[in-house]
Amino acid sequence: EAGVAQSPRYKIIEKRQSVAFWCNPISGHATLYWYQQILGQGPKLLIQFQNNGVVDDSQLPKDRFSAERLKGVDSTLKIQPAKLEDSAVYLCASVRDRANTGELFFGEGSRLTVL
Amino acid sequence: AQKITQTQPGMFVQEKEAVTLDCTYDTSDPSYGLFWYKQPSSGEMIFLIYQGSYDQQNATEGRYSLNFQKARKSANLVISASQLGDSAMYFCAMREGPGTYKYIFGTGTRLKVLA
Repeated sequence: EAGVAQSPRYKIIEKRQSVAFWCNPISGHATLYWYQQILGQGPKLLIQFQNNGVVDDSQLPKDRFSAERLKGVDSTLKIQPAKLEDSAVYLCASVRDRANTGELFFGEGSRLTVL
Repeated sequence: AQKITQTQPGMFVQEKEAVTLDCTYDTSDPSYGLFWYKQPSSGEMIFLIYQGSYDQQNATEGRYSLNFQKARKSANLVISASQLGDSAMYFCAMREGPGTYKYIFGTGTRLKVLA
């Protein structure tokens, strides 16, 4: 089966500009996550979707970050306006509901550099 | 609240030797899952091993084993016969409860295998 797809892989923008990242989870995976991974740190959850509904967005900086999953399949994460501290890798992951182990499947990530 | 602690920022091991990466966790939920992921320099997150809180035996997957000590709330990863390709960041993660599908990650341990 195809893995989690993310694009773009790399993006360089200047502060105050906007950027959008796209994710297509594994087919049939109802739950989708966006994580932010700053260099040298562990992934930090930004938002969790179950189908097209938000389960947890408590750590999403809502003044500048937004995310949607309109049809319960692919998802977009937007940052506007970007700040220097948003430089990170944005990881998308999905999980198969009621799976025996329930491991997360990750995309390759989108690396953002804010200048 | 959930918490994952990895106290070893970096570790060295000689090729062909075994190494233990430490992970402690904190949760009040009796049902949880523990995971280890490997992140090479290329950035992808690779699932290694899973341990459920009710599993009686320690999980093993090839050269990886999980030393699960429930009373101590520890879930250490043991890599036997280290290989140069094992050099990477290793993250411990926890999922609380059935059905919540909320995952948190530790800060990671960077492992360097020496020839």
